Amino acid sequence: EDQVTQSPEALRLQEGESSSLNCSYTVSGLRGLFWYRQDPGKGPEFLFTLYSAGEEKEKERLKATLTKKESFLHITAPKPEDSATYLCAVQRGFQKLVFGTGTRLLVSP
Amino acid sequence: SAVISQKPSRDICQRGTSLTIQCQVDSQVTMMFWYRQQPGQSLTLIATANQGSEATYESGFVIDKFPISRPNLTFSTLTVSNMSPEDSSIYLCSVEDPGASSYNEQFFGPGTRLTVL
Repeated sequence: EDQVTQSPEALRLQEGESSSLNCSYTVSGLRGLFWYRQDPGKGPEFLFTLYSAGEEKEKERLKATLTKKESFLHITAPKPEDSATYLCAVQRGFQKLVFGTGTRLLVSP
Repeated sequence: SAVISQKPSRDICQRGTSLTIQCQVDSQVTMMFWYRQQPGQSLTLIATANQGSEATYESGFVIDKFPISRPNLTFSTLTVSNMSPEDSSIYLCSVEDPGASSYNEQFFGPGTRLTVL
C-alpha cells in the first residue's frame, strides 16, 4: 500500500533561519511527487511536481528535491508569509494522490 | 492553471439533512476529484468523477452517502447525504489540468467547510 510520511509534524523557525521538510514515501511505479502549500481555511496551492530521482525544482525561497525514497522541501531564509502547512503527495500510475499529514510551519519575525 | 470555484464556501447543517456542493472550473477538464479533509488531518480521496461515466469511489465511501454528478466537462456536484456530526469536514474539488506545464498537475478549489450539528 502506498504510504507517505512527513516530518517534522510542526516546525517553528525564526525569520531568515533556513531548514528542510522531509517527505518519505513507499510506492511502486511513482508517477509523480507533489508538494502543496495550504493556508488555514483554504484549499491546497500547487507548488511542485517531481518525476524522477535527482530532479530539483525551485520557486522563490523554496527548493524541492527527490530521491528514490524521499523528497525534501528546502526553505531558504524564510519569511513570516511562508507560514503554512506544507503537504506532500505521491501518485502511482493514473491513480489518486496519496497525501501525507503535512508539516505545519511557523516563521516568526 | 485552471481556476476552480466551489459553492457554498461554508455551511452549518442539522443531522439527517443533505447538502450539495458545487464545483465549477473555468476550462474543460477530463478528470475531477472530490477529497475530504477532516479536522487536523490530511486529504482523503472520496471519488473520481469523469464526464459521461459513473463516479469511481474509494474504499470506505459509497454512492448512497456521497452521490456525485458530472453533467459536463466544467462542472460537478457532491452531495453529502443523511449527515451526521462525523461528516464535519472540509470538502475539496480538484482537477487534473491538461493545460498545465506538466500534464498531471492537480489543482484544488478553495474548499467547502461543513459543520454538522
